[in-house]
Amino acid sequence: AQTVTQSQPEMSVQEAETVTLSCTYDTSESNYYLFWYKQPPSRQMILVIRQEAYKQQNATENRFSVNFQKAAKSFSLKISDSQLGDTAMYFCAFMKSPWNTGNQFYFGTGTSLTVIP
Amino acid sequence: GAVVSQHPSRVICKSGTSVKIECRSLDFQATTMFWYRQFPKKSLMLMATSNEGSKATYEQGVEKDKFLINHASLTLSTLTVTSAHPEDSSFYICSVSGTGYETQYFGPGTRLLVL
Repeated sequence: AQTVTQSQPEMSVQEAETVTLSCTYDTSESNYYLFWYKQPPSRQMILVIRQEAYKQQNATENRFSVNFQKAAKSFSLKISDSQLGDTAMYFCAFMKSPWNTGNQFYFGTGTSLTVIP
Repeated sequence: GAVVSQHPSRVICKSGTSVKIECRSLDFQATTMFWYRQFPKKSLMLMATSNEGSKATYEQGVEKDKFLINHASLTLSTLTVTSAHPEDSSFYICSVSGTGYETQYFGPGTRLLVL
């Protein structure tokens, strides 16, 4: 079974600073996808960034980037130039290749990030 | 990404009544829909996976007779909480995915309070 671990329940960062959220996972699959989702106080889950395991290049989306270490099974999220709107719960998620059955996600327990003005 | 709606956004009901929650994929052919439950400040707990036109697959520990899921079309899935009790009070979220599609898109959630 796949497991996803987020070891930082809560974090805070000063506005405009950089913060890194950790995520590790355990799987025997060779092909899979990793995601970071953001859940602000509105509780709407928003896709932040996605990484395909077969791609060596780390995904980036504007101020958000990942450090994907496949051998170490690590998938951290870096938020640069933090903004107040980044305050949210962040969930790391794992999915086996979509060509397998179910497209089921395995979520981490979440990291609550607070951006301090 | 796909736009997903849920209705109602919040509902309050009396214990013993049934509540239906709708999940609509507005611009995406959702071959697969997922239903999650989330407790305050907790992660999402997958309840069931439904594929269009077939019976839902429930996760271990989720009562299929209590949480009825119907996925009759590529754009609509419903979750009915039957004979609701206070312990069923929670935040219910649906998500959609497509065949071979590697991302889930989430609805805004439904807050259920059973008195």
